Amino acid sequence: NAGVTQTPKFQVLKTGQSMTLQCAQDMNHNSMYWYRQDPGMGLRLIYYSASEGTTDKGEVPNGYNVSRLNKREFSLRLESAAPSQTSVYFCASRTAPYGYTFGSGTRLTVV
Amino acid sequence: GENVEQHPSTLSVQEGDSAVIKCTYSDSASNYFPWYKQELGKRPQLIIDIRSNVGEKKDQRIAVTLNKTAKHFSLHITETQPEDSAVYFCAASMGGGADGLTFGKGTHLIIQP
Repeated sequence: NAGVTQTPKFQVLKTGQSMTLQCAQDMNHNSMYWYRQDPGMGLRLIYYSASEGTTDKGEVPNGYNVSRLNKREFSLRLESAAPSQTSVYFCASRTAPYGYTFGSGTRLTVV
Repeated sequence: GENVEQHPSTLSVQEGDSAVIKCTYSDSASNYFPWYKQELGKRPQLIIDIRSNVGEKKDQRIAVTLNKTAKHFSLHITETQPEDSAVYFCAASMGGGADGLTFGKGTHLIIQP
């Protein structure tokens, strides 16, 4: 039972490049989330998927797109990376009423 | 949307003493309040949570209290140990949490030997 798996763990992009962060969970959770964590800012919600087939914007969605591919997988895409998107990205999943389970994170640097 | 304020940003206590971290939230519709512990370079780990129909919850050395009228909740750690050193985040959510959590900015807890 791996929980929430994120790939890659580290990535360096040049400004303007695109990439997709992958997230998969094996706990049969209904809801999945993408957060970014910046120093001194806590975690901020980018997008979420309350159930398979639905996605919604969170607090900081600009510059990102998401796809809920199936119940297990929820990907985050940066179409044209900017230095302001340098951050640590965490995927999480949950089925109410239980708590959230986080992945180990992707450390992204945009130069 | 929801706004969560967390204080203090840094807390240093002697080993064996108690630590208290406080959070306030803005949206009275919030009904789920978890606390996370994050060690350097690691993922956030849920340590305790409370729902709005409960005023207090305890798990060994950790307790959380909730005051819905005042819209604040607190984390209490007793008999602190070196392994309690970490960053702690409070969070709040509506709808039982399906629509995502709003986090505070974190408290860096330092346990002095």
